[in-house]
Amino acid sequence: DIVMTQSPDSLAVSLGERATINCKSSRSVLSRSNNKNYLAWYQHKPGQPPKLLIYWASTRESGVPDRFSGSGSGTDFTLTISTLKAEDVAVYYCHQFYDIPSTFGQGTKLEIK
Amino acid sequence: EVQLVESGGGLVQPGGSLRLSCVASGFSLRNYWMNWVRQAPGKGLEWVTNIKEDGSEEYYVDSVKGRFTISRDNAENSLFLQLNSLRSEDTAVYYCAASGAGIVYWGQGTLVTVST
Repeated sequence: DIVMTQSPDSLAVSLGERATINCKSSRSVLSRSNNKNYLAWYQHKPGQPPKLLIYWASTRESGVPDRFSGSGSGTDFTLTISTLKAEDVAVYYCHQFYDIPSTFGQGTKLEIK
Repeated sequence: EVQLVESGGGLVQPGGSLRLSCVASGFSLRNYWMNWVRQAPGKGLEWVTNIKEDGSEEYYVDSVKGRFTISRDNAENSLFLQLNSLRSEDTAVYYCAASGAGIVYWGQGTLVTVST
């Protein structure tokens, strides 16, 4: 199984500042056939289902604010929130859908400092 | 409006069974791989199983193989999960989810509690 490891486990950032979450996969999730990274990011707030933010590692889902961005390739990925807003408080997960079983990172809890 | 609505969760004793259902509206379920993803209390997300658009392929996480069965009825725009031989560690919110590039649609979830 591909193991997804996020860092840090929790993060406190001031409003208006940048938040950065890292995700490392135990094997590459880059497909040689289409040159796409099978990596997604989700935002999960209490009492709600997770919400897709980013897919193919760097493509923003429709309707997601442009302060959210994804980067990386192969085994190392980053989710960046450029200017933190209060509504961004949530748990964030990376997710590989390159191989079965599909696997998630353990989650990063983002709070306001 | 796209919606996935799960039902069938509840309290069951260890060794018991449940059948979860998920009905889609606002989109055609037949165009998507469908998944069940769960979240145990205080834990992260865990992918459980998925099934191909036409039902010809299905996959499971090792911990549920031989106990859980996923199925779908595209004519009824519905997804199902049969849970047998339930264990305490199966206690979780179970989400019905449609995937394309990542999981694009999620239901609100249904709680399964396995306890005496």
